[in-house]
Amino acid sequence: QSVLTQPPSVSAAPGQKVTISCSGSSSNIGNNYVSWYQQLPGTAPKLLIFDNDQRPSGIPDRFSGSKSGTSATLGITGLQTGDEADYYCGTWDSRLVAVIFGGGTKLTVL
Amino acid sequence: EVQLVESGGGLVQPGRSLRLFCAASGFTFEDYAIHWVRQAPGKGLEWVSGISWNSGTTGYADSVKGRFTVSRDNANNSLYMQMNSLRAEDTALYYCVKGSGSFYYHYHMDVWGKGTTVTVSS
Repeated sequence: QSVLTQPPSVSAAPGQKVTISCSGSSSNIGNNYVSWYQQLPGTAPKLLIFDNDQRPSGIPDRFSGSKSGTSATLGITGLQTGDEADYYCGTWDSRLVAVIFGGGTKLTVL
Repeated sequence: EVQLVESGGGLVQPGRSLRLFCAASGFTFEDYAIHWVRQAPGKGLEWVSGISWNSGTTGYADSVKGRFTVSRDNANNSLYMQMNSLRAEDTALYYCVKGSGSFYYHYHMDVWGKGTTVTVSS
């Protein structure tokens, strides 16, 4: 059971918008930055969002991140079939003294 | 181009040891923390260990504490992980991951290697 809670799966049609939630506590999301990682099938994870809402260079603005209290959200607009992947949230946990990840969310673009 | 290339994985019997290696290039290795993150077959990501820029601080997941030891050689842009007393549940793809800051805590991970597979089985 992951410390950060994500829905196991989400789905939406091409062109639509989807959000993926990541729920934690005051020892992790509540007091630390959140990052998001995209893992396309058969590949290594890639950084998508850092510091809650910042995009690395090369990441399209269809991807966005936000944080409120002890939860974070990844948003993807204009869905494409190439967005089908597993998405993970991650942060530092001050109580566990460890980096933690959510269990991952599988995005299906119908 | 920033690159991290892992090696050293393989098939090992329970209770035995293995040493993973990560070769870094394309950035000033000595300035950044580096992590090991693993992914069991069909499962999610699990942070294993982190080491700060000068080896001054290291951290481990509870699941590997006391069995795994991370180290680095800044002169040779290299990261290592000595894995002892291996268990079946250590079977996973092990990624070497660059941190975005000097310390492994609080900073996100920004570049991932392709991973090396460790299989613990008799």
